[in-house]
Amino acid sequence: GAVVSQHPSRVICKSGTSVKIECRSLDFQATTMFWYRQFPKQSLMLMATSNEGSKATYEQGVEKDKFLINHASLTLSTLTVTSAHPEDSSFYICSAKRQGASYEQYFGPGTRLTVT
Amino acid sequence: RKEVEQDPGPFNVPEGATVAFNCTYSNSASQSFFWYRQDCRKEPKLLMSVYSSGNEDGRFTAQLNRASQYISLLIRDSKLSDSATYLCVVNGGSGYSTLTFGKGTMLLVSP
Repeated sequence: GAVVSQHPSRVICKSGTSVKIECRSLDFQATTMFWYRQFPKQSLMLMATSNEGSKATYEQGVEKDKFLINHASLTLSTLTVTSAHPEDSSFYICSAKRQGASYEQYFGPGTRLTVT
Repeated sequence: RKEVEQDPGPFNVPEGATVAFNCTYSNSASQSFFWYRQDCRKEPKLLMSVYSSGNEDGRFTAQLNRASQYISLLIRDSKLSDSATYLCVVNGGSGYSTLTFGKGTMLLVSP
């Protein structure tokens, strides 16, 4: 159990367009999902914490109007990168915390975004 | 000071060797500690949690020293398949559930 999927796994888009990434918990309910970004040779950086049915909490320096997060159900959260620029090219990874669990997070396989 | 600090490596070891990684963290209020493994261009996968009393899982042993804010991971009898980046992770950040990741230590095991 505790499988998290992400779609798409890889996306290439043109500068100025928007890209939506989906994160799903397949066999458990996730009240909280997290969105991370990882640049080459860097650590995972938390972008935002998403709670089902409420607004996401963004980390300092992350623009909430650029990175739109929706967590409409207990199994799905989406991240939309709006007006993407080449500097948004990165590896985006989501994770989900099982309902009632403390710290353990289950990670999705990640989405590699390339903005040309 | 970085929140979670690790030696980036790489650590080059032969098969069968014993290798140890260290990690320091800055948030003294951190309660939970983990080692994750990340293969190239893949998501991190939980390797083991780290408990105050130290814990062992097969060839892997993790230790925590709260006074020094220091975590270690020991890998015995290294296998080729152990080649990966090992991430030290502590809970912290802006919320109760958030995790803070180190940059990772790369391990390369050669035949």
